[in-house]
Amino acid sequence: GAVVSQHPSRVICKSGTSVKIECRSLDFQATTMFWYRQFPKQSLMLMATSNEGSKATYEQGVEKDKFLINHASLTLSTLTVTSAHPEDSSFYICSAQSGGWEETQYFGPGTRLLVL
Amino acid sequence: RKEVEQDPGPFNVPEGATVAFNCTYSNSASQSFFWYRQDCRKEPKLLMSVYSSGNEDGRFTAQLNRASQYISLLIRDSKLSDSATYLCVVHSGNTPLVFGKGTRLSVIA
Repeated sequence: GAVVSQHPSRVICKSGTSVKIECRSLDFQATTMFWYRQFPKQSLMLMATSNEGSKATYEQGVEKDKFLINHASLTLSTLTVTSAHPEDSSFYICSAQSGGWEETQYFGPGTRLLVL
Repeated sequence: RKEVEQDPGPFNVPEGATVAFNCTYSNSASQSFFWYRQDCRKEPKLLMSVYSSGNEDGRFTAQLNRASQYISLLIRDSKLSDSATYLCVVHSGNTPLVFGKGTRLSVIA
């Protein structure tokens, strides 16, 4: 199947710093990428949907100025958690899709963020 | 009512047992249904799609009941390696996937 990578896989940072997470589709062009967050024992919660070359669409309750998403190319999307706080500690997972909504989403391995 | 509801478990079963999970969804316009498997600290991975006629993949059988808006997953002859969280996922047209919280399965030797 298609491969999606995320970097870094794990990051520990101090409160107040910004953290950038990269999501890459390695063997296909991803017209749409999704960013999810998962807290322990909770379901995946969609944060935002990004389409290459346009602004991301954020889900209700997700601050767009805090979680900056850039989908500059068909193979790369980045999520920047700005001024991170301990409550932002979570498992962030991206997924990528090559076509319309009916296409399969391929998930990246996730990034575990711990904010001290 | 939550969009996708699952019994969180855990289901603790011995090796070789048969175990079934159910999931209910609230949006009657939902069109596609899936079961994903998620191992601890890993990303979800597609286990199987769920079709109206029911479908089987080896030891796994998925069923869909549109009238009652529920989906089931049956695992026969459970293996230790089946231990994971099973996510029920529903898709409605031009909208993102909606994930349930998952049902945790622990297969014991």
